[in-house]
Amino acid sequence: GAVVSQHPSRVICKSGTSVKIECRSLDFQATTMFWYRQFPKQSLMLMATSNEGSKATYEQGVEKDKFLINHASLTLSTLTVTSAHPEDSSFYICSATPAGPNQPQHFGDGTRLSIL
Amino acid sequence: AQKVTQAQTEISVVEKEDVTLDCVYETRDTTYYLFWYKQPPSGELVFLIRRNSFDEQNEISGRYSWNFQKSTSSFNFTITASQVVDSAVYFCALSYFGNEKLTFGTGTRLTIIP
Repeated sequence: GAVVSQHPSRVICKSGTSVKIECRSLDFQATTMFWYRQFPKQSLMLMATSNEGSKATYEQGVEKDKFLINHASLTLSTLTVTSAHPEDSSFYICSATPAGPNQPQHFGDGTRLSIL
Repeated sequence: AQKVTQAQTEISVVEKEDVTLDCVYETRDTTYYLFWYKQPPSGELVFLIRRNSFDEQNEISGRYSWNFQKSTSSFNFTITASQVVDSAVYFCALSYFGNEKLTFGTGTRLTIIP
């Protein structure tokens, strides 16, 4: 079945580092992917909609210059957290939906980002 | 605006008991989708069900069942004969028709006590 792969699964790095997270649809093409963030013991909040070949659409309150999204192909979207700080530590998870009717959204396994 | 409310933040039941997780939603759209996801301690989201607003039939899948009532804007989830492996955080979510951007509830942490 459809699978979304997310890499890396866990990142620990120093404050000020930029971190890139990849989201791949393994056996289907996705013109749209979504990026969510989940703080500990909280719900998932949509950060942005990644659109293949065009600019991402960011939710209110999400800094587009800090969270860079690139969707250069139909199977890959990347989220780069630039100059990460401890408050950016969170669980980041992407999702994508195969084309066609009645297709459920598939989520990656998430990336746990810890900024020291 | 869309909103999903899961009033139960944490529930604990003894194994083999039945448990119902509540979900109440708000939307101005007449067409929408409702979802339930399971998030085990490992963090990944496991898809459980998607239901569109035109289909109010209850659904049963093994030990899981869902009760969708548009009159009360609720989409409740029942686990029958609970098992320890059911312990997880369960999220109810809502999306617009044709737009899979999801609005999640705050989740219910379910603990099954052996």
